[in-house]
Amino acid sequence: AQSVTQLDSQVPVFEEAPVELRCNYSSSVSVYLFWYVQYPNQGLQLLLKYLSGSTLVKGINGFEAEFNKSQTSFHLRKPSVHISDTAEYFCAVTKAAGNKLTFGGGTRVLVKP
Amino acid sequence: DAGVIQSPRHEVTEMGQEVTLRCKPISGHNSLFWYRQTMMRGLELLIYFNNNVPIDDSGMPEDRFSAKMPNASFSTLKIQPSEPRDSAVYFCASSQGDSGNTIYFGEGSWLTVV
Repeated sequence: AQSVTQLDSQVPVFEEAPVELRCNYSSSVSVYLFWYVQYPNQGLQLLLKYLSGSTLVKGINGFEAEFNKSQTSFHLRKPSVHISDTAEYFCAVTKAAGNKLTFGGGTRVLVKP
Repeated sequence: DAGVIQSPRHEVTEMGQEVTLRCKPISGHNSLFWYRQTMMRGLELLIYFNNNVPIDDSGMPEDRFSAKMPNASFSTLKIQPSEPRDSAVYFCASSQGDSGNTIYFGEGSWLTVV
């Protein structure tokens, strides 16, 4: 089975500052990795995903993530955040042959002016 | 595109009552998922269907929960009888084709059992 750990439950950050959200996964098989964002009172929206190829993945809204197989990590970054990036961010994993997503516990990002 | 459509958006019900949550997946998608989100347990996969057939229901909490997908455009999640600990946000999601394709989520059904 796969598991995901998001190391930070909350990350406060000032507007226009960079942010990094940490995600580590555990799996005995090849995996696909995802980051989703959940704005208040809404469903989840895909930010980006890693399936194969380049380990640096670019997503929507200026976010990017880097897959590091040796460290089993998939950290999410944005060089300059906006107030509108205030949301909860979820890292998720599925085995490469399946589509059953396992989510981490989420990281709540609060962008302060 | 209309996206994944869920109803009701909000429901408050009394303990012991039957609750039925409904979902219309994105047209053309052949996989459908039901997730539950709570503060304590986060996002949990309850069940998923592929081509209307339940593939994995290992996340269904107990016999009080049941899910059906009578056709490609409709699914229900039923709780009977409901209990206060079932209070949560229930998300339906759908995707098309093989592993790795994006899973699209509905806006959720917010259930409160009092």
